[in-house]
Amino acid sequence: NAGVTQTPKFQVLKTGQSMTLQCAQDMNHNSMYWYRQDPGMGLRLIYYSASEGTTDKGEVPNGYNVSRLNKREFSLRLESAAPSQTSVYFCASSERSVGTGELFFGEGSRLTVL
Amino acid sequence: RKEVEQDPGPFNVPEGATVAFNCTYSNSASQSFFWYRQDCRKEPKLLMSVYSSGNEDGRFTAQLNRASQYISLLIRDSKLSDSATYLCVVLSNSNYQLIWGAGTKLIIKP
Repeated sequence: NAGVTQTPKFQVLKTGQSMTLQCAQDMNHNSMYWYRQDPGMGLRLIYYSASEGTTDKGEVPNGYNVSRLNKREFSLRLESAAPSQTSVYFCASSERSVGTGELFFGEGSRLTVL
Repeated sequence: RKEVEQDPGPFNVPEGATVAFNCTYSNSASQSFFWYRQDCRKEPKLLMSVYSSGNEDGRFTAQLNRASQYISLLIRDSKLSDSATYLCVVLSNSNYQLIWGAGTKLIIKP
């Protein structure tokens, strides 16, 4: 019953450091997403991958890069972390590529940038 | 104006009561709507879709009012376990991605 698994769950970085958030799903879903959640704001889409081999920018892509390594895995990289990237990051997946409201989320990764 | 707006709450409600909250959306062409539930420090989980004719699932009823551009969620006979933040979600017609409200926090008190 793993579903969507994210690592790490917690991370503290210094400004300018880099890191990669890992995400894997075992539901054979086509699409995967990275969101960030900040207090008082709705989830905001960073990047998504509608299918293996494709990635697209979401609402807030600046400062991030992604890799859809295979159908199961979708990673998010911060090349040079900034305090504004302090947030909770959620990876999600869906069976359908577009137009679906049914997303399955990982437990989240809490990132603090000092 | 935000594309999806919700009263942040918290709504403090006694156990057993009925509670309802709304969510307004700005794009009149939006077609698909959803309610998600998010427990404290947990991930969002789909609660229910909102159909034009309304949707009921046990104690939960979701309705859509297109004329006034809002969706509602009604919880009857509230339980302590209903305490959570409820997220309103609208599917964008432009890029088919989801637009999320900031959530309404519900606290059910014994």
